[in-house]
Order: sequence, then structure tokens, then C-alpha cells
Amino acid sequence: KAGVTQTPRYLIKTRGQQVTLSCSPISGHRSVSWYQQTPGQGLQFLFEYFSETQRNKGNFPGRFSGRQFSNSRSEMNVSTLELGDSALYLCASSPLAGVGYNEQFFGPGTRLTVL
Amino acid sequence: AQRVTQPEKLLSVFKGAPVELKCNYSYSGSPELFWYVQYSRQRLQLLLRHISRESIKGFTADLNKGETSFHLKKPFAQEEDSAMYYCALITQGGSEKLVFGKGMKLTVNP
Repeated sequence: KAGVTQTPRYLIKTRGQQVTLSCSPISGHRSVSWYQQTPGQGLQFLFEYFSETQRNKGNFPGRFSGRQFSNSRSEMNVSTLELGDSALYLCASSPLAGVGYNEQFFGPGTRLTVL
Repeated sequence: AQRVTQPEKLLSVFKGAPVELKCNYSYSGSPELFWYVQYSRQRLQLLLRHISRESIKGFTADLNKGETSFHLKKPFAQEEDSAMYYCALITQGGSEKLVFGKGMKLTVNP
């Protein structure tokens, strides 16, 4: 099976802009989770989607949002970008709902740089 | 608040030496803990979970509720064990999420 894919792999934006990142899960996986990874804060959970519904959400401002489509592909949107949003954004998929009870398979990440 | 602490950022050992990667957690409920690993130029992947009580690639981890620890151990390190290791905790009740430690880089020298 093909692994989790994320597009684009690299992105440069300026402050105030918005950005949309995409994640295609492993075929048959219905849960998609998103994480932000920065040198200072490490890996932080953003949210989990399952069957087009947000199941869980981390402690991020409302500028961070996501959605999931009927084919389980997911998008994450960040509006009004700030310098501190520069990070590696990881997506992970699993067959069933629940970020911990089912093994998550991670994508390669999207490196976002905000200038 | 839920927290996972990996007190050491770097650990360097020689091949064949024992390895212990420390992880301490803070959580009021019944913890579910994991170790994730990221090898060079590879994706983050699950190494083991405490509930499975399994040994993966020679690594084991025991949950010690008294010391709130979940240290990862291997009796004889191999060069291919060199990687970033992340300890993680699931929070339960309400919003379920994975809380990660900041990671530790293990280097096994020949």
C-alpha cells in the first residue's frame, strides 16, 4: 500500500496570508490526525478527523482549522499566518478512530516557512 | 495538566552498550504510553506501546506508575538504533489526544 502523502512538501508564505495543506491517508484508513512540530514546542496535536467529523482538537487558536472529505483525504488551513506558525506539519492516518488506540502512520510532512 | 518529559536531549553510546531513554509523565488518569521513533530520513513510526507489553527490536519499556515513568531500554545497542525517540501519552476523557515529549536523539557509535 502507498503510504501517507502530504502536499506540498515545502511552502513559503508571508505574515497575514493563509495556507492550505493536504493529506492523503493510506487507502482504507478513515482517521486523519494533524500535528505541528517545532524546535521549541516539539510535536503538538492539532486535531483528528474521522468520517468527515472532527473528533478531537488540541490547544491551538481558531486560525487553525481542518476538514475531511468523503474519500478520507484531509486538508488543514491556517489563516492570518504568524511567524510562529513556521513548522513542520505532520499528518497521520489510521484505520479506525482514536489517535492512540490504533497505530498511526505518519506522512513526510509539509515544511511551512512564514516570512 | 498532561505532560511528557524526556529529560535528556542527547545520548551517545558505543555499540553493545546498554541504553536507557528516560521518559516521565504527568497525568491524573490511567496513562496509556507509547514510544515513537524516527530514523534518519524516515517517517515517524510507532515503536511500542506499554499496553502490548512487547519487545520490539530488542527494546522494552515498563510503566512505573509510582515513579510516573516509562523508560525505554535495550541491553545491547546497535548502530541502527541511532534515531530520534519520542515518548507519548494519550489523554482520555473528553478530547482524546496524543501528547509528545520533545524527543531524544540517540547515537550509537561503532
